[in-house]
Amino acid sequence: EAQVTQNPRYLITVTGKKLTVTCSQNMNHEYMSWYRQDPGLGLRQIYYSMNVEVTDKGDVPEGYKVSRKEKRNFPLILESPSPNQTSLYFCASSPYRVREQYFGPGTRLTVT
Amino acid sequence: AQSVTQLDSHVSVSEGTPVLLRCNYSSSYSPSLFWYVQHPNKGLQLLLKYTSAATLVKGINGFEAEFKKSETSFHLTKPSAHMSDAAEYFCVVSEGTGGFKTIFGAGTRLFVKA
Repeated sequence: EAQVTQNPRYLITVTGKKLTVTCSQNMNHEYMSWYRQDPGLGLRQIYYSMNVEVTDKGDVPEGYKVSRKEKRNFPLILESPSPNQTSLYFCASSPYRVREQYFGPGTRLTVT
Repeated sequence: AQSVTQLDSHVSVSEGTPVLLRCNYSSSYSPSLFWYVQHPNKGLQLLLKYTSAATLVKGINGFEAEFKKSETSFHLTKPSAHMSDAAEYFCVVSEGTGGFKTIFGAGTRLFVKA
């Protein structure tokens, strides 16, 4: 089944404890992206990647890191999480020219 | 710079009546425009997309949207609402020459009354 998977789905952590949220797609898509969703703000793009080793900042990159070492994986790294990063996070992928994005199920992160 | 404005944060309709969800955008390039739907506690599903072909775009579940360049609008409509349409709807613009940034509107929550 063609899909985008994210792990973990739910995570509660403490301020300053490094964490990684994984994202993987099995559709051979070039483009991958991370978003956070907060009430009343819609989804805001954190980082995106056009292909392996090619990444760029979205609108809210502060406090996040990404890497794209393999085409199928695009992990989101929070090196020192803070409570304002409590949010619902979505990963998405797309064939480059199509731009129609396929979304993962979401990861709900709580930072205390 | 690109931006998206969804003109209503909440819309309430009765079952069987028309739905209109309004979206205005700004873009420096020829954008790709999308509508996505998110049902409660679910992920996002693509309803329809505009990518510079026909200006009237038909999507899933009876939804359609019309791209009006002169008005910079991409409103979503459906002739007859169904209870299962109750959800949050996002208007999305994507543009870029090399990579592409994606901007979501803040969302419109659709309520459908029996």
